[in-house]
Amino acid sequence: DTEVTQTPKHLVMGMTNKKSLKCEQHMGHRAMYWYKQKAKKPPELMFVYSYEKLSINESVPSRFSPECPNSSLLNLHLHALQPEDSALYLCASSHRGSYNEQFFGPGTRLTVL
Amino acid sequence: GDSVTQMEGPVTLSEEAFLTINCTYTATGYPSLFWYVQYPGEGLQLLLKATKADDKGSNKGFEATYRKETTSFHLEKGSVQVSDSAVYFCALSEGGQNFVFGPGTRLSVLP
Repeated sequence: DTEVTQTPKHLVMGMTNKKSLKCEQHMGHRAMYWYKQKAKKPPELMFVYSYEKLSINESVPSRFSPECPNSSLLNLHLHALQPEDSALYLCASSHRGSYNEQFFGPGTRLTVL
Repeated sequence: GDSVTQMEGPVTLSEEAFLTINCTYTATGYPSLFWYVQYPGEGLQLLLKATKADDKGSNKGFEATYRKETTSFHLEKGSVQVSDSAVYFCALSEGGQNFVFGPGTRLSVLP
């Protein structure tokens, strides 16, 4: 299995809602990442988990809360988002620690109303 | 800090034309270099990679050679197809310390 899966594919939420994005990989990778991608821009790194520990937080607002329950799963909990948070949220994983060749999931298209 | 520069496009070509997308980088050491492709509505897919100077990465007819002397990793394909229409990102990773994307180049191939 050489795939990173993400659910849901699309999500529409209001500014007072709480929702979660989910990511899963079964490649034995020990680093997992959340990226935010706005239209016509490259992905921006949000969080890195290496060996299930949060190793880098790129000063992301606290309304985004990551969780890594085990080495195969990664969640992103969303609360009190703003319309400008609407974007494609991408999950990725890599072998042999952080920042090596990354494998990306298809993304969750998030719209905040 | 490390950075990646690439032609932003859009690049518009006719089917079977030759493709070059330029990519240059700035890094303090010896990074690994990557090309990723993003088709409309999808995530990023690794297209090819090179981990040391003079390495050539290749996949699906695409090629790129790691040129340390010119700090470049230009993407080429001899004959593009309509199905190659996508956004192409050049990226680097240095010593497991960071992962930097270029701004992306949008390619449109017309039949």
